Amino acid sequence: DIVMTQSPDSLAVSLGERATINCKSSQSVFCGSDNRNCFAWYQQKPGQPPKLLIYWASTRGSGVPDRFSGSGSGTDFTLTISSLQAEDVAVYYCHQYHSDPLTFGQGTKLEIK
Amino acid sequence: QITLKESGPTLVKPTQTLTLTCTFSGFSVSTNGVGVGWIRQPPGKALEWLGIIYWDGAQRYSPSLKSRLTITKDSSKNQVVLTMTNMDPVDTATYYCAHRPLYNSVWNSFDYWGQGTLVTVSS
Repeated sequence: DIVMTQSPDSLAVSLGERATINCKSSQSVFCGSDNRNCFAWYQQKPGQPPKLLIYWASTRGSGVPDRFSGSGSGTDFTLTISSLQAEDVAVYYCHQYHSDPLTFGQGTKLEIK
Repeated sequence: QITLKESGPTLVKPTQTLTLTCTFSGFSVSTNGVGVGWIRQPPGKALEWLGIIYWDGAQRYSPSLKSRLTITKDSSKNQVVLTMTNMDPVDTATYYCAHRPLYNSVWNSFDYWGQGTLVTVSS
């Protein structure tokens, strides 16, 4: 199984400041097709299902604000929120869809400082 | 517009079999390049992938749960059904179904999710 490890487990950032969450996979999730990584980020607010933020490691999902960006390749990935807004308070999960079993990170709880 | 909704019992007893139905709209599970998966989340914990069924009927399961899971589809009803046997209190979780699309011959991530249904296992 590909193990996904996020850091940190929790994060407190001031409004308007940058937030950075990291994820490391135990094996490369490079798909090999069109130079893509089979890697995604999800945002989950309390009582809601996960929302797809980023896929192919760096492509924003439908309607996702451009303050959210994804980067990285192979085994190391980063989610950056350039200017934290109050509505960004949530738990963020990384996810590999390179191979079965599909796996998720343990989650990073993002709060306002 | 793609929507999915999970339905089934909210409470099951230990050793019983859980059956959940995912009813969806906006796509067909018999269309080339479509998958419907199941993911669960124990209260306060992380997401766990359970399994998936693809447009051609192929199924994939989490190895740790494979012996207990069955996923089937009914294209005429736009439904996918998850069956999990021998339920235990540790299986208490919110169960989600989600849509997985194929993109340029590569399976993408789950893009649309149902709201989830909380299943409690208790005697």
